[in-house]
Amino acid sequence: TQLLEQSPQFLSIQEGENLTVYCNSSSVFSSLQWYRQEPGEGPVLLVTVVTGGEVKKLKRLTFQFGDARKDSSLHITAAQPGDTGLYLCAGYGKAAGNKLTFGGGTRVLVKP
Amino acid sequence: SAVISQKPSRDICQRGTSLTIQCQVDSQVTMMFWYRQQPGQSLTLIATANQGSEATYESGFVIDKFPISRPNLTFSTLTVSNMSPEDSSIYLCSAGTGAGANVLTFGAGSRLTVL
Repeated sequence: TQLLEQSPQFLSIQEGENLTVYCNSSSVFSSLQWYRQEPGEGPVLLVTVVTGGEVKKLKRLTFQFGDARKDSSLHITAAQPGDTGLYLCAGYGKAAGNKLTFGGGTRVLVKP
Repeated sequence: SAVISQKPSRDICQRGTSLTIQCQVDSQVTMMFWYRQQPGQSLTLIATANQGSEATYESGFVIDKFPISRPNLTFSTLTVSNMSPEDSSIYLCSAGTGAGANVLTFGAGSRLTVL
């Protein structure tokens, strides 16, 4: 069982639709990060959230850190084909041995 | 942010051979890490590459199988030794670039196929 559980594992939607990816844990994290990875590339950091209840927006992407700092969500509004990729959440803190631990990933496919 | 170059980007190897992956960072970084990833899946930390001392390996990974060098603050290598088909994977180098080095920048990865 992974420390961070992501759901769903795979999401296929049409361009213009909205989607939400969840990242859940029973452990508390000092910070939580979201990365996006495209085929043939390494993961690229999208955002870091550190405060319980924090909401950050990056254009059409909205990230939320749970009040208890155990979970997070990524919401994409009006998805575009360029949003296609593997989305990874990663938590940092004592629960992860003061290292970065990754969730299982969510593959998102946005069809034109 | 730091730019990380890895080579080779991909290789096809024979069972029983060893391959060394190189990772070059364009600036000095304190922390460097090596990850393994099956295509489309999550990342598993292999080890932390420590400058001037032995790497710190995660559970399930050993130095004899994955020797790591870190001669300075901009360069590291990972060797996959005595390869078997189970070692076929993407190997990613990363550098810690945030406060506390807990924000990572990744190289593009090295995709190894072992026949």
